Amino acid sequence: GQQLNQSPQSMFIQEGEDVSMNCTSSSIFNTWLWYKQDPGEGPVLLIALYKAGELTSNGRLTAQFGITRKDSFLNISASIPSDVGIYFCAGQDNDMRFGAGTRLTVKP
Amino acid sequence: DGGITQSPKYLFRKEGQNVTLSCEQNLNHDAMYWYRQDPGQGLRLIYYSQIVNDFQKGDIAEGYSVSREKKESFPLTVTSAQKNPTAFYLCASSEGNYNEQFFGPGTRLTVL
Repeated sequence: GQQLNQSPQSMFIQEGEDVSMNCTSSSIFNTWLWYKQDPGEGPVLLIALYKAGELTSNGRLTAQFGITRKDSFLNISASIPSDVGIYFCAGQDNDMRFGAGTRLTVKP
Repeated sequence: DGGITQSPKYLFRKEGQNVTLSCEQNLNHDAMYWYRQDPGQGLRLIYYSQIVNDFQKGDIAEGYSVSREKKESFPLTVTSAQKNPTAFYLCASSEGNYNEQFFGPGTRLTVL
């Protein structure tokens, strides 16, 4: 099936910095989802996007559904140590596909 | 509290043995899913079920089996036919087919 390309694979940032990550696909999706996974735990849904061009915020997190429906972006502002984890994108049309994840490390 | 539970958290198995992973949800969701997670990779779908007594193979179903006798439960059996079973297994559920999925805490299976 179609693959999602998520980048970057990993990020090392200083506390207080902003973070950006994205997912792209060769196919269009009807829904984009962003999850966060802590080590040894299941992913937790952060933001869901349902319409091309949609921009949605959840606290310090902002995500956008790309206008072409083939990409999505997640931004985290003013990062804090508890933002550490792996962030996954997921795109849905007739099935759901996941990116390989972005591993975020925040240095105090 | 509504949610998804998986048990056990950690599981060790000898080669050649079948093992069953439990997944229970009290969210009244119709659809349930099993994923496998390996380091550095996205989640890969093993099996999914949209309704009781019905399930479909995902991308990597070989060596696995499932049942869906009750709406709340979707156990996964890792059989001895699965050549590389050591992985982190995640169960998820959603209200409808491929709506927002909610995940359980996962089971880490190690084959010794």
